[in-house]
Amino acid sequence: DGGITQSPKYLFRKEGQNVTLSCEQNLNHDAMYWYRQDPGQGLRLIYYSQIVNDFQKGDIAEGYSVSREKKESFPLTVTSAQKNPTAFYLCASSMTGRHYGYTFGSGTRLTVV
Amino acid sequence: KNQVEQSPQSLIILEGKNCTLQCNYTVSPFSNLRWYKQDTGRGPVSLTIMTFSENTKSNGRYTATLDADTKQSSLHITASQLSDSASYICVVSPNTGNQFYFGTGTSLTVIP
Repeated sequence: DGGITQSPKYLFRKEGQNVTLSCEQNLNHDAMYWYRQDPGQGLRLIYYSQIVNDFQKGDIAEGYSVSREKKESFPLTVTSAQKNPTAFYLCASSMTGRHYGYTFGSGTRLTVV
Repeated sequence: KNQVEQSPQSLIILEGKNCTLQCNYTVSPFSNLRWYKQDTGRGPVSLTIMTFSENTKSNGRYTATLDADTKQSSLHITASQLSDSASYICVVSPNTGNQFYFGTGTSLTVIP
């Protein structure tokens, strides 16, 4: 079955560490996205990519980095520059075009310890 | 400014009762509106999509309505079940650009 897989489901980070969240899809979707979800707030866009080897900053890109070396993969690195990284991170993919909706992964909960 | 507002923020209902969730938006020009259901600790799952010309669309016990003139949408849940307990998120897509606009969601709790 096609889908989008995020790993790990839970991740703990020490202050000053970089961590990488994995996102893989086998839906043959062109576009992939990373969102951050905090309690009581809507999803906020971190980065998105509409084609391999190209990506764009979203509304809250500071302290994050991404790569898109393969169509299927869009890993997100949370760097030590991100001062408040504890959140629920959602990866999504879609075909290109506004009439196509998202398929979301199951999320990664990142906690700074 | 493109915005999506949902109400109520949270809702508690008895199992078997109906409820209606609201979504108001200022996104323009409008392309489509989607309702997603998000279980706790999981990713959102699409329930319905509505385009400019559609007034109502059903998916089982879920019925979405759209009034593109007043820029309002509602999600009606009939004969609620315990499994309906989740957050319901309204997402509006404009006809230009690459951005989707998310509401903050309505948290629904169905109690026995």
